[in-house]
Amino acid sequence: DTGVSQDPRHKITKRGQNVTFRCDPISEHNRLYWYRQTLGQGPEFLTYFQNEAQLEKSRLLSDRFSAERPKGSFSTLEIQRTEQGDSAMYLCASSFLFSGSKNYGYTFGSGTRLTVV
Amino acid sequence: KNEVEQSPQNLTAQEGEFITINCSYSVGISALHWLQQHPGGGIVSLFMLSSGKKKHGRLIATINIQEKHSSLHITASHPRDSAVYICAVRKSRYPGGSEKLVFGKGTKLTVNP
Repeated sequence: DTGVSQDPRHKITKRGQNVTFRCDPISEHNRLYWYRQTLGQGPEFLTYFQNEAQLEKSRLLSDRFSAERPKGSFSTLEIQRTEQGDSAMYLCASSFLFSGSKNYGYTFGSGTRLTVV
Repeated sequence: KNEVEQSPQNLTAQEGEFITINCSYSVGISALHWLQQHPGGGIVSLFMLSSGKKKHGRLIATINIQEKHSSLHITASHPRDSAVYICAVRKSRYPGGSEKLVFGKGTKLTVNP
């Protein structure tokens, strides 16, 4: 297992276009998280999944954003009608939750850097 | 006020110096993470702490739960340690709560040869 993979690494798109990012978590990890990081800031939580269920979404996730994890494995994050303010690094992380116990093995991907021009 | 505050924001050191980065938080937590981010974006997890102290090579992380404070120390710093170091906390569990992390803004460390 090579860790958490994100694709693409970089994406440049014109304002108004739709973009989709993919995250492949560590295979044993049942929890998957999306974060967004703008320049000079720490990452901010967007959403997370436990298996295929999306359990929490941040207020940062406007109607133009949608995330899925259809089979409880990989996840996609789609942004529709992109705006310049969407330019950021989109980070994916995964972890494994033991039932009734502590979370374990939080691992980040390398991120997808989105530039909207 | 942010729930997680780091200091300093920027730190420049000479090779070989002992480095300390501080993190204070204002919420109950179940764990605290120290993360390293190099230019290009990828984040590497250095430590996860819920109490006490952990050591890995030249890196040492401590946490004081009562004072809501953690420190990351780098001994014998090297130019390759230059990176952004980020503190992140996992808030205490509550019914229906998530395991999301809340991040500080990071400390940019530059170690000069």
